[in-house]
Amino acid sequence: DVKVTQSSRYLVKRTGEKVFLECVQDMDHENMFWYRQDPGLGLRLIYFSYDVKMKEKGDIPEGYSVSREKKERFSLILESASTNQTSMYLCASSLYPLAKNIQYFGAGTRLSVL
Amino acid sequence: EDQVTQSPEALRLQEGESSSLNCSYTVSGLRGLFWYRQDPGKGPEFLFTLYSAGEEKEKERLKATLTKKESFLHITAPKPEDSATYLCAVQAGGGSQGNLIFGKGTKLSVKP
Repeated sequence: DVKVTQSSRYLVKRTGEKVFLECVQDMDHENMFWYRQDPGLGLRLIYFSYDVKMKEKGDIPEGYSVSREKKERFSLILESASTNQTSMYLCASSLYPLAKNIQYFGAGTRLSVL
Repeated sequence: EDQVTQSPEALRLQEGESSSLNCSYTVSGLRGLFWYRQDPGKGPEFLFTLYSAGEEKEKERLKATLTKKESFLHITAPKPEDSATYLCAVQAGGGSQGNLIFGKGTKLSVKP
């Protein structure tokens, strides 16, 4: 079974703090993704990566950055957390280009910024 | 603009009452349509992938179908444990490869 592990289920941070969300997958997938999920807005793509040290902006990259130093690990960074970044953050990974590009998700990190 | 719309937003069923969830899409060249199940406080769990009109997939009480404009998730004789939010997503032919466009989901509640 594919396993995508997010380091924290719940986080509480203060406005202005630098926040790191970590994601690790154990299936040697090339692609990794960070989404946020908000009521009424659905899942929105923040950043994604198709290879080590490679990153591309998704639909809502403002206020975020990412790092992928190793194939299995993809980090989301909030440089200076703000209250409007309170959300559920979901990491996903997929195998490309051979497979059907199914994205497998982690359990999510619920971040509250006070 | 690529778009995915799910209906209804919420659906309440009695145990055993069959129904269908709808996912309509407008994309430039469909590469795949995906159904996920999401339980409260958890990440989405993959259910099905459909690639071409006329394709059908089944798993237990769930059956997914695909036409050129929409997909249906049919739930036959649902049980309370089927209660969850069901998400539909499409992968379009243009733009960044591999990216999914998600609908906002249908929240299903099945009462005993």
